Amino acid sequence: GQSLEQPSEVTAVEGAIVQINCTYQTSGFYGLSWYQQHDGGAPTFLSYNALDGLEETGRFSSFLSRSDSYGYLLLQELQMKDSASYFCAVRPSGFQKLVFGTGTRLLVSP
Amino acid sequence: DAGVTQSPTHLIKTRGQQVTLRCSPKSGHDTVSWYQQALGQGPQFIFQYYEEEERQRGNFPDRFSGHQFPNYSSELNVNALLLGDSALYLCASSPATSGSYNEQFFGPGTRLTVL
Repeated sequence: GQSLEQPSEVTAVEGAIVQINCTYQTSGFYGLSWYQQHDGGAPTFLSYNALDGLEETGRFSSFLSRSDSYGYLLLQELQMKDSASYFCAVRPSGFQKLVFGTGTRLLVSP
Repeated sequence: DAGVTQSPTHLIKTRGQQVTLRCSPKSGHDTVSWYQQALGQGPQFIFQYYEEEERQRGNFPDRFSGHQFPNYSSELNVNALLLGDSALYLCASSPATSGSYNEQFFGPGTRLTVL
């Protein structure tokens, strides 16, 4: 099976940098994805790491280390609109489904 | 270009009733997945439809069933509703290419409340 653990809540101020961690236990997977979900909204895709290392997309970066069973999402120049829940997810080998982490609620204050 | 659409937005049912939720995938997508998201938790995979057949299924009882139509739209049916079925039901679509399943496009969801 697969399990992905995330901190339940992270707080930060506008303009700051925050890192959301994801530790996982899985027998095999294609890569690590990150999704953002605002209250009452749909999850939206942010980034994907197929290989170890850092992927950068604008203010967001994502990192994966398969040897450490660990990944993170880095958000820079935080804005109030970044307040949302963030989920890491993996697609297990041989499957088309996504398995989501426990989710991290990010609160950005002025 | 319309994204993934779902109907209805909200639904209230009582225990034992049956419910049907609907989803239209993003244009150009032929694969539809359904997820259940309980409050404060991550989405849980229910099943996936491709070419009008259920291709994969998560750990959900047979009370949960679905259908995909020739135009790729899909329905989720839940019979004999339980209080624990109260959740946000999300539909996600993707094109049927291997790498695309890592980036799924989600609809706004249907909020189901079972009383």
